[in-house]
Amino acid sequence: KAGVTQTPRYLIKTRGQQVTLSCSPISGHRSVSWYQQTPGQGLQFLFEYFSETQRNKGNFPGRFSGRQFSNSRSEMNVSTLELGDSALYLCASSPGGTASEQYFGPGTRLTVT
Amino acid sequence: KQEVTQIPAALSVPEGENLVLNCSFTDSAIYNLQWFRQDPGKGLTSLLLIQSSQREQTSGRLNASLDKSSGRSTLYIAASQPGDSATYLCAVMRNSGNTPLVFGKGTRLSVIA
Repeated sequence: KAGVTQTPRYLIKTRGQQVTLSCSPISGHRSVSWYQQTPGQGLQFLFEYFSETQRNKGNFPGRFSGRQFSNSRSEMNVSTLELGDSALYLCASSPGGTASEQYFGPGTRLTVT
Repeated sequence: KQEVTQIPAALSVPEGENLVLNCSFTDSAIYNLQWFRQDPGKGLTSLLLIQSSQREQTSGRLNASLDKSSGRSTLYIAASQPGDSATYLCAVMRNSGNTPLVFGKGTRLSVIA
């Protein structure tokens, strides 16, 4: 079974631009969660989608948004990029049942200049 | 608010040594606890998942224990190898399940040949 895939793997953007990251979960998994990882803050939860609906949301500004498609693939979008948005963005998939084990993708490294 | 702490932040040991990584959490009302491994610049690999009703889980040279009442978990690595060098993260899920993982900041392990 293929693992979680994320595209692109690396991205360089300029302050003020917007960016879209993509995540394809493991086949059959219906839940996709997004996390931001920075050296200072560690891993912080952004949001989770289950069956195309946002089920949980972290404490991030509205510039961060996401969606999930009917095939469970998910995208997250960051508008008006700031230098502080430079981070490794990780997505995790799980079957979606109660407290399922989460499987992470390789991440997208975003650098904002 | 759940907080997860991992001590020490970094650890260096000679090859072949048995070692213990520590994880503590402030709210004992957890549904499960998961240990991950992260290689530099990469995603997270799930090592062990312990449900709140369990005391320990084992996989190969790894053994994770959970003491929910004291808010502690340990990851025991037997006969360490240079390939075990990585950052080890623990994460807890709240008692209600289907909630975001709350991560510690990790322990960076170096196994010296």
